[in-house]
Amino acid sequence: NAGVTQTPKFQVLKTGQSMTLQCAQDMNHNSMYWYRQDPGMGLRLIYYSASEGTTDKGEVPNGYNVSRLNKREFSLRLESAAPSQTSVYFCASSEGTGRFYGYTFGSGTRLTVV
Amino acid sequence: DAKTTQPTSMDCAEGRAANLPCNHSTISGNEYVYWYRQIHSQGPQYIIHGLKNNETNEMASLIITEDRKSSTLILPHATLRDTAVYYCIVRVRGGATNKLIFGTGTLLAVQP
Repeated sequence: NAGVTQTPKFQVLKTGQSMTLQCAQDMNHNSMYWYRQDPGMGLRLIYYSASEGTTDKGEVPNGYNVSRLNKREFSLRLESAAPSQTSVYFCASSEGTGRFYGYTFGSGTRLTVV
Repeated sequence: DAKTTQPTSMDCAEGRAANLPCNHSTISGNEYVYWYRQIHSQGPQYIIHGLKNNETNEMASLIITEDRKSSTLILPHATLRDTAVYYCIVRVRGGATNKLIFGTGTLLAVQP
């Protein structure tokens, strides 16, 4: 029972480089989310996908793009990484509209931009 | 979604009950109260949620005041493994999305 799987777990980028964070869930959940967490702070929502084929901005979307590739996968892309994007990134999924018994989170991707 | 106010940190002795308060004075009638916790460096974990009745599951109990302006999460017998940041969130259930907005939470330190 894998739940939500994020890759990679750790990444170091140079300023200006691009990369894609991958997220996959095996629970047949409709909704998926990307959060970032900076030291000593709570999680902030970057983007979310309420259902396959839809994506919407969260609290802090600038500098990111997302793709809901299929029902299982939701990727987060940094086109030109900046030091301000150094953070821990969490992907989550939930059943979606109507029924909601909680999010399932992945274990996170620790990204450092130098 | 209504905002919540939680203490920054709390201590609790191992084996004793941990009572974590949350104020949500602007909560609307259709907003639920959710609790999550985050153990160091891990992804947050769902604990419990409720609307107006008290709720209990295998992890915790949730007590919501009659006016719904505050709630308390109770861990009946805290262990060292319960040391974590606890987040109280209020939001509307259902609708177009279930997105949650996290605050800074309460750091619960369970002492041996």
